Amino acid sequence: AQRVTQPEKLLSVFKGAPVELKCNYSYSGSPELFWYVQYSRQRLQLLLRHISRESIKGFTADLNKGETSFHLKKPFAQEEDSAMYYCALSGSRDDKIIFGKGTRLHILP
Amino acid sequence: DVKVTQSSRYLVKRTGEKVFLECVQDMDHENMFWYRQDPGLGLRLIYFSYDVKMKEKGDIPEGYSVSREKKERFSLILESASTNQTSMYLCASTSRGPEQYFGPGTRLTVT
Repeated sequence: AQRVTQPEKLLSVFKGAPVELKCNYSYSGSPELFWYVQYSRQRLQLLLRHISRESIKGFTADLNKGETSFHLKKPFAQEEDSAMYYCALSGSRDDKIIFGKGTRLHILP
Repeated sequence: DVKVTQSSRYLVKRTGEKVFLECVQDMDHENMFWYRQDPGLGLRLIYFSYDVKMKEKGDIPEGYSVSREKKERFSLILESASTNQTSMYLCASTSRGPEQYFGPGTRLTVT
């Protein structure tokens, strides 16, 4: 079954500390993985996708096929990183996306 | 810039009412989606559409229907609203490819 698991509902991190939001997936095939972010009172938007291998707003995510993980990392948290983060997977030809349940990141001052 | 708009930001309806949620995108995208977003449950797909007059059920279609008469517009219909349909509803669109562009959401309260 296709599934995306985000084990933490809430993650609180002090400003300046490293951040890691965990994501594991289950998919029989070669999926495309994403991280979406929703800041307070803003619409959900794409943060990054694994095939682009970019660093966006200091965040990176590496696809680990052996561990079926796609954890989101940032070395030094900033207050503006506080948001809801969703890990997502697309593998089918119909452009459907399967979302995880989300992790709320709270950056403490 | 892709723009996806939804007809209302907030909506309050009574149990049993018929409710229409409208979504419009201005980028000629083929695919459009309706999700509901609930705390602790993430985003769940209700319905999606690949083209005009085409629709497919998502993971939680019960109690909902959709309409896509024009390429840019995708409507979600609650035939008889119930309190368990109180939620945030998100519309999204995409062209060929999985990256989705989301609307601002409609927070629906059914009393």
